[in-house]
Amino acid sequence: DVKVTQSSRYLVKRTGEKVFLECVQDMDHENMFWYRQDPGLGLRLIYFSYDVKMKEKGDIPEGYSVSREKKERFSLILESASTNQTSMYLCASSLLAGLREQYFGPGTRLTVT
Amino acid sequence: DAKTTQPPSMDCAEGRAANLPCNHSTISGNEYVYWYRQIHSQGPQYIIHGLKNNETNEMASLIITEDRKSSTLILPHATLRDTAVYYCIVRVGNTNAGKSTFGDGTTLTVKP
Repeated sequence: DVKVTQSSRYLVKRTGEKVFLECVQDMDHENMFWYRQDPGLGLRLIYFSYDVKMKEKGDIPEGYSVSREKKERFSLILESASTNQTSMYLCASSLLAGLREQYFGPGTRLTVT
Repeated sequence: DAKTTQPPSMDCAEGRAANLPCNHSTISGNEYVYWYRQIHSQGPQYIIHGLKNNETNEMASLIITEDRKSSTLILPHATLRDTAVYYCIVRVGNTNAGKSTFGDGTTLTVKP
């Protein structure tokens, strides 16, 4: 079974803090993704990576950056957290581009106060 | 990627078939229809996908109309554990999957 794990289920940070969300997958998948999920807005893609050290912006990259130094790990970074970044953050991975289903982690509920 | 339209909510009796519709009238020839679901407090879970033929797996069946402008996900014998939000996504099949964004989906409530 594919396993995607995220470093925390719940996180509380203060405005202006630098926040790291970590995601690890154990199936040697090429593609990894970060989404945020908000009520009424569905899942929105922040960034994705199709290879080590490669990244592409999704639909809402502003205020975020990512890092993929190893194939199995994809980090989402909030350089200076703001209250409008309070959300559920979901990481996903997939084997190949296009015709492959994505496997999601359990999510991290981030609250910025 | 083509836009999809789903009803916001549906109810289904336990043991009966749940039929979840999705409209994707602007779908293009190389776009696939994917279905995911999200049970409360969990990440989304892949269910099934198809191009133009009907598909079936251990979880569900996918019926795609001949003109491909709509599809229906069928859970043949819904259980209480099938209560979830169901997302229909249309995505180009031979490019990176990253650009697909999930909409609001359909909240399916299975009732005893």
